[in-house]
Amino acid sequence: NAGVTQTPKFQVLKTGQSMTLQCAQDMNHNSMYWYRQDPGMGLRLIYYSASEGTTDKGEVPNGYNVSRLNKREFSLRLESAAPSQTSVYFCASSHHQQVMADTQYFGPGTRLTVL
Amino acid sequence: QKEVEQNSGPLSVPEGAIASLNCTYSDRGSQSFFWYRQYSGKSPELIMFIYSNGDKEDGRFTAQLNKASQYVSLLIRDSQPSDSATYLCAGGMNRDDKIIFGKGTRLHILP
Repeated sequence: NAGVTQTPKFQVLKTGQSMTLQCAQDMNHNSMYWYRQDPGMGLRLIYYSASEGTTDKGEVPNGYNVSRLNKREFSLRLESAAPSQTSVYFCASSHHQQVMADTQYFGPGTRLTVL
Repeated sequence: QKEVEQNSGPLSVPEGAIASLNCTYSDRGSQSFFWYRQYSGKSPELIMFIYSNGDKEDGRFTAQLNKASQYVSLLIRDSQPSDSATYLCAGGMNRDDKIIFGKGTRLHILP
């Protein structure tokens, strides 16, 4: 099992450009998440998808859109990139069919720089 | 607003000693707690989770939960240089899809 995979690993954009970050998991998990991690700010939730066909905003959704393409794939789109979106982006997934909050498994991350 | 608080560190501990990492949370409804380790430039990886009051041990790691005090800790015994990393505490509510992460504590094990 590959676990959670993300593409690309690195990306440099110019202000105003658009791009889509791809995420896929092969663990048959129900829930998927997109986080950004900035120095001193910890992990902040951008969007999440509790199940196929549903998406919800997290703490910092402005400037982003998401698509839960199927159970395996969850993409994050930046329509018009801004320097404030320079960050490391992590995708995560969890099983979440249990009563208790569930362990999240993280992908390797995408390091995005917006000039 | 639900928050998970951690001292950012760095926490410096001599090799072979016990490292003690602490975390407090604001939401009394939180029931599940997680400790993740993150090496520089890498993604977070789960070390332990704990749901019940008391201690939970796994090898050199012990997680402690005190729901009355809203306090979670992670003890690392016989600390090794390879334990040098940032440790993230996270908490979540039952039946909730999301968990809230603290900002992490940087741990440095001194050889």
